Amino acid sequence: DGGITQSPKYLFRKEGQNVTLSCEQNLNHDAMYWYRQDPGQGLRLIYYSQIVNDFQKGDIAEGYSVSREKKESFPLTVTSAQKNPTAFYLCASRRSGGLGYTDTQYFGPGTRLTVL
Amino acid sequence: QKEVEQNSGPLSVPEGAIASLNCTYSDRGSQSFFWYRQYSGKSPELIMFIYSNGDKEDGRFTAQLNKASQYVSLLIRDSQPSDSATYLCAVIPDMRFGAGTRLTVKP
Repeated sequence: DGGITQSPKYLFRKEGQNVTLSCEQNLNHDAMYWYRQDPGQGLRLIYYSQIVNDFQKGDIAEGYSVSREKKESFPLTVTSAQKNPTAFYLCASRRSGGLGYTDTQYFGPGTRLTVL
Repeated sequence: QKEVEQNSGPLSVPEGAIASLNCTYSDRGSQSFFWYRQYSGKSPELIMFIYSNGDKEDGRFTAQLNKASQYVSLLIRDSQPSDSATYLCAVIPDMRFGAGTRLTVKP
């Protein structure tokens, strides 16, 4: 059963703490993405990775960090430097990260992070 | 900064009507365009994509692309209450999204 899994579904964090959101895919996709979504808003790109051991900043990377040590895994750490981290976080993957213009991007179920 | 903009909502149509959703993009190098539907609290799901100028039809959905005008649209024919959702436009190769248009179909 192929797909993208994200854990946990809900996460609560105290101010000043770092937290790591998990994203795993078994689709054998090269590219993986992290987005943030605030209530009533669209998706904003945080980081993306087109290949293992390589990743690029998106539009709102400040206060976040990622790693891509394995093809199937792309964890996102929300650091204490992120001033307003409460949001819905979505992980996605595509077969290729380049100009494969018919390659669909698939999404995980998301993690809802709340800072207390 | 590469921009993807969608027509401001919310959009409300009666059941059975045609809903029209629009998206413009700033990067002329954009190759392909994806339309996603997102129900409240859920992750986006793909409706269809288009990469050639003209129309592409899939059931009740039609995507229209005009690269010269940097414009892509999604038409939903015979709108149903179950179509009520937020519709997101995405542009590759960057996979950047517009802010979304919230559609409500009233019975």
